[in-house]
Amino acid sequence: NAGVTQTPKFQVLKTGQSMTLQCAQDMNHNSMYWYRQDPGMGLRLIYYSASEGTTDKGEVPNGYNVSRLNKREFSLRLESAAPSQTSVYFCASDLQGNSNQPQHFGDGTRLSIL
Amino acid sequence: AQSVTQLGSHVSVSEGALVLLRCNYSSSVPPYLFWYVQYPNQGLQLLLKYTTGATLVKGINGFEAEFKKSETSFHLTKPSAHMSDAAEYFCAVSENNYGQNFVFGPGTRLSVLP
Repeated sequence: NAGVTQTPKFQVLKTGQSMTLQCAQDMNHNSMYWYRQDPGMGLRLIYYSASEGTTDKGEVPNGYNVSRLNKREFSLRLESAAPSQTSVYFCASDLQGNSNQPQHFGDGTRLSIL
Repeated sequence: AQSVTQLGSHVSVSEGALVLLRCNYSSSVPPYLFWYVQYPNQGLQLLLKYTTGATLVKGINGFEAEFKKSETSFHLTKPSAHMSDAAEYFCAVSENNYGQNFVFGPGTRLSVLP
């Protein structure tokens, strides 16, 4: 059981380049999330998808877009990368978007913008 | 809106000593509380959670936490630290709503000294 799979694991971009981070879960979860992790700031929610076909902004959505491709997959796109987007990005999912159920995390994508 | 504070960004203990990681929260409604652990270059893993019922919650790897409503606290403890406990620990709070209301604390890095 793979859980939450993120690709790629590492990426270096130049300012202005675009890229898409991929996330897939095989737990039949309804809700999926994208976070960024920066030192001393914990995890901050970028976007989430409560269910297939819906997406909503989180705390720090500027500079990002998302697509909920199907129930399994939720991608995060940087249209024009900026150095401030250098971070570790985590995808997570949970069963029903119900807050008493834990979120399951992928291993992260380490992104550097030069 | 809820928030989480974790006292001490870095805690060091000797192997075999008590581990105490502090978490305080603010929430306008009875919260759901979680502790996650993150090992280097990995995603977050759930250690334990409090939703309702018994306020002393036992988790994996010998960790436990006690919900104290009067103190708005959910401190994490382990009687005897092991070298393998060295990691970063995140406290998280969620209100009686959907997963997009998950709020993480800034994290505490635990070092275990031989």
